[in-house]
Amino acid sequence: EPEVTQTPSHQVTQMGQEVILRCVPISNHLYFYWYRQILGQKVEFLVSFYNNEISEKSEIFDDQFSVERPDGSNFTLKIRSTKLEDSAMYFCASGLPLAGAEQYFGPGTRLTVT
Amino acid sequence: SQQGEEDPQALSIQEGENATMNCSYKTSINNLQWYRQNSGRGLVHLILIRSNEREKHSGRLRVTLDTSKKSSSLLITASRAADTASYFCASYNFNKFYFGSGTKLNVKP
Repeated sequence: EPEVTQTPSHQVTQMGQEVILRCVPISNHLYFYWYRQILGQKVEFLVSFYNNEISEKSEIFDDQFSVERPDGSNFTLKIRSTKLEDSAMYFCASGLPLAGAEQYFGPGTRLTVT
Repeated sequence: SQQGEEDPQALSIQEGENATMNCSYKTSINNLQWYRQNSGRGLVHLILIRSNEREKHSGRLRVTLDTSKKSSSLLITASRAADTASYFCASYNFNKFYFGSGTKLNVKP
């Protein structure tokens, strides 16, 4: 069964450094999402992406964040200058070519900013 | 915040019992979805209910939706130890998903 994959599974970085989190969505999906989950807290929507552009973004998704689909398979989240409070699990999800359809989540990348 | 809340925050039951979790949301929705998360893992989609539906079943899962009260409930019947996980509702509107705070379910064997 196809699944969403994410790399790396765990990333440790120093405050102020740039990180790129990578995701490979399911191949026939057209909607892509990034979420953040701080330990023990709720899942927070960051951004949705469709047709090679951002559809919606949350208040969290400020100028330090960017997303890209550099080729036909990868979907990346870049955090330009990490802060301690960026430490969280970051989940990528992809959805069928129908707005609001069920999402398939990747296993997540644990980002630790020291 | 436009994100909803769930209750209870935690629920502990014996295997074989039913588990009911409730979710409230704040904005109008196109649909509402329920997801399960095992500790430290990604979320798994369980069931989707559209805004014009009131009840939906899938195996041991039953979901209700009351748009007038902006609330939904998830019932898991005949629970199993393997159902132990956190359960989240996610309301969808305008290309955004808003997740609730989750209910941590513990099913004791």
